[in-house]
Amino acid sequence: EPEVTQTPSHQVTQMGQEVILRCVPISNHLYFYWYRQILGQKVEFLVSFYNNEISEKSEIFDDQFSVERPDGSNFTLKIRSTKLEDSAMYFCASKDGTGIEKLFFGSGTQLSVL
Amino acid sequence: DQQVKQNSPSLSVQEGRISILNCDYTNSMFDYFLWYKKYPAEGPTFLISISSIKDKNEDGRFTVFLNKSAKHLSLHIVPSQPGDSAVYFCAATGTSGTYKYIFGTGTRLKVLA
Repeated sequence: EPEVTQTPSHQVTQMGQEVILRCVPISNHLYFYWYRQILGQKVEFLVSFYNNEISEKSEIFDDQFSVERPDGSNFTLKIRSTKLEDSAMYFCASKDGTGIEKLFFGSGTQLSVL
Repeated sequence: DQQVKQNSPSLSVQEGRISILNCDYTNSMFDYFLWYKKYPAEGPTFLISISSIKDKNEDGRFTVFLNKSAKHLSLHIVPSQPGDSAVYFCAATGTSGTYKYIFGTGTRLKVLA
């Protein structure tokens, strides 16, 4: 079965540094998402992306965050200047866009900001 | 603003018995609901979904019930198996005006052998 792939699985960074989390969504999917889960808490929506632009974003997704689809396969989340509270598991998800469908999630990137 | 709530953080059930996980929502615009299962250090995996035009959807051991008037849905797992032990999240979205799926806080299910 096709799957969403995320790299790296773990990322450790110093506060104030930039990080880029990478995702390869399922190839025929049209909608792309980033979610995050702080340890023990709910899975929180960050941003959705369709047709090469952000379609919706949450309050969490401030100016420190950006997303990009640099080519036909990758979907990235950049955090410009990381804060301690950015430490979380970040999940990429995609769906095919033919209607209301299930999201397929990647296995996540655990980001630790020291 | 917690639009999707799972009020039971944990649930323990004996193997072979029924597990019932509950979820409440507040936003009347939600009309499509999903249940996801999550193991530690993995992404959520889709289990079952239901559209608001239905009140029940069944897939093997998993059944989701939707009560629109009460804004409540539940996931029934029967019979429960030890491999079902995981965190279960319900999620909701609308068919118009939104792209995002809102997740609940999760219920940790433990199925005892």
